[in-house]
Amino acid sequence: QSALTQPASVSGSPGQSITISCTGTRSDVGDYNFVSWYQQHPGKAPKLMIYDVINRPSGVSNRFSGSKSGNTASLTISGLQAEDEADYYCSSYTSSSTWVFGGGTKLTVL
Amino acid sequence: EVQLVQSGAEVKKPGESLKISCEGSGYTFTNYWIGWVRQMPGKGLEWMGIIYPGDSDTKYSPSFQGQVTISADKSISTAYLQWSSLKASDTAMYYCARQGATFDYWGQGTLVTVSS
Repeated sequence: QSALTQPASVSGSPGQSITISCTGTRSDVGDYNFVSWYQQHPGKAPKLMIYDVINRPSGVSNRFSGSKSGNTASLTISGLQAEDEADYYCSSYTSSSTWVFGGGTKLTVL
Repeated sequence: EVQLVQSGAEVKKPGESLKISCEGSGYTFTNYWIGWVRQMPGKGLEWMGIIYPGDSDTKYSPSFQGQVTISADKSISTAYLQWSSLKASDTAMYYCARQGATFDYWGQGTLVTVSS
């Protein structure tokens, strides 16, 4: 099972919006709505930000939103803040009854 | 409050065995899967496998099948990840997470360093 494909890095200025893509196949992202997004600050454990493509856990800012089209899922962060600077990972359930992560995207807030 | 508390950092030599733990609290431990995730230095997250503590049903990523063993002791709400013979390439941070269709709660991580 290959890792899902994410851009290595994205950047944006405070207040702007950015989108991170997560591309899989018909055997994972394309066939299941079990896509999640995680935020990881340096030296910290990952934190769930979006689950089941579009849902936000309690306590996560509504500046974070998720979507999916075909084999590609996306995480959009609006109104960028300095504290959003972190690594972001997507994950998906697969047709092999396993889970796969994306390679990760480093978000820099300029 | 749901919490997953992992055992402390380990420094081992190649060929040694190791078992690290993940204790769950604040929820019914036997009703949720526990997954293990590897993060090698400076790298991304890799799913290793999961266990259902209720009946010890286990599934492994093909990449980790045969390399590690996942187990659980439901009487003490603890899941385990173990190696019989460590390699230098096992050096990484290992996280446990409560897992359903998503990984909603994570442990703090256990750093495993394997060096001669």
